Amino acid sequence: EPEVTQTPSHQVTQMGQEVILRCVPISNHLYFYWYRQILGQKVEFLVSFYNNEISEKSEIFDDQFSVERPDGSNFTLKIRSTKLEDSAMYFCASSEGYGRGRNVVEQFFGPGTRLTVL
Amino acid sequence: AQSVTQLGSHVSVSEGALVLLRCNYSSSVPPYLFWYVQYPNQGLQLLLKYTSAATLVKGINGFEAEFKKSETSFHLTKPSAHMSDAAEYFCAVSDRSGGGADGLTFGKGTHLIIQP
Repeated sequence: EPEVTQTPSHQVTQMGQEVILRCVPISNHLYFYWYRQILGQKVEFLVSFYNNEISEKSEIFDDQFSVERPDGSNFTLKIRSTKLEDSAMYFCASSEGYGRGRNVVEQFFGPGTRLTVL
Repeated sequence: AQSVTQLGSHVSVSEGALVLLRCNYSSSVPPYLFWYVQYPNQGLQLLLKYTSAATLVKGINGFEAEFKKSETSFHLTKPSAHMSDAAEYFCAVSDRSGGGADGLTFGKGTHLIIQP
């Protein structure tokens, strides 16, 4: 069964450093997403990506963050100048596309990357 | 704006007992509602989704949920808990179909503990 994969599973970095979190969405999916979950808090939407550009982003997704689809399979989240409060689990998700009317489409999630900023 | 409230960060039930996980939502438009489950060290897996076709929705692993507009609720139930049901459960809402550009809005999650 196809699945979303993410690497690394755990990333430790020093405050101020840049990190790149990697995701391989399901191959025929068109929409890609990043979410994060700070320990003990809600899963929060960061950004969605379609047709090689950002579709929607939340207020969390500021200039510190960027996303890219560098090739036909990978989808990355770059966090520049990391801060302590960026420590969280980051989930990548993908879906087939936009459902019309009541055709609700499922988002498939990866296992997450735990980012620890020291 | 939409939001989700999951009552109870931890719920403990005995094996074979009824499972009830509560979810209340707030949405300015008719919502699309989802329940996801997360097993340790794994991603979020869709249990079931509400599409307005039927208020009682059946999902995988014997779970079901009932949409009650008057109560703005979408509680998750299972008649008989199994040890393998121990996991984190997330309720989520979207004002779109869930597969488009808009992200899902999640609750804080409920950790389900199954007592032998």
